[in-house]
Amino acid sequence: DIQMTQSPSSLSASVGDRVTITCRASQFISSYLNWYQQKPGKAPKLLIYAASSLQSGVPSRFSGSGSGTDFTFTISSLQPEDFATYYCQQSYSTPRTFGQGTKVEIK
Amino acid sequence: QVQLQESGPGLVKPSETLSLTCTVSGGSINSYYWNWIRQPPGKGLEWIGYIHYSGSTNYNPSLKSRVTISVDTSKNQFSLTLNSVTAADTAVFYCARVPSGSYSQFDTWGQGTLVTVSS
Repeated sequence: DIQMTQSPSSLSASVGDRVTITCRASQFISSYLNWYQQKPGKAPKLLIYAASSLQSGVPSRFSGSGSGTDFTFTISSLQPEDFATYYCQQSYSTPRTFGQGTKVEIK
Repeated sequence: QVQLQESGPGLVKPSETLSLTCTVSGGSINSYYWNWIRQPPGKGLEWIGYIHYSGSTNYNPSLKSRVTISVDTSKNQFSLTLNSVTAADTAVFYCARVPSGSYSQFDTWGQGTLVTVSS
């Protein structure tokens, strides 16, 4: 199985801050990397697919980059509704695997 | 806009079989891969497996011996059965869609249903 490691596991930030989360795959996954947002009691929501493609309807303050094994997810200006847990997920091979999540909390 | 809705018992006894159904509305079940994903309370996400509308399947090896996913295209539904459950199978179960020919991203999710394994 491909292991996905996110860092940090949690962070505290203020509204307007730039937030960056990294995700590392245990082996090469090309650009088969997706990012999801999950709020408490809700299903995950797709934000970024193919490492850097913005899902339809998702605000442009969310972005992703990277390829191979190292990936970055960025929120350019954190908004109140962005406080949530974020997961990366590889879709290069089965079994599909997720990172452990990064909880973004209010400072 | 397509919507997914999970349904099934919220409580299952240890050693018994968990059965859930996902109903697809607002769109066809054809031309997609249909997935089950679970999340134990307070923990991360685990992919269980998928079924293509044609009937081909792919399961997580960690669960493969206990899992079956089936599809009923006439009802626009697909289903999950998980045998010999234990307390470790207690989780919120989500169904999710993957477009064919895509980067296999989970682009649409059901709201999730909590299944508790307890006597």
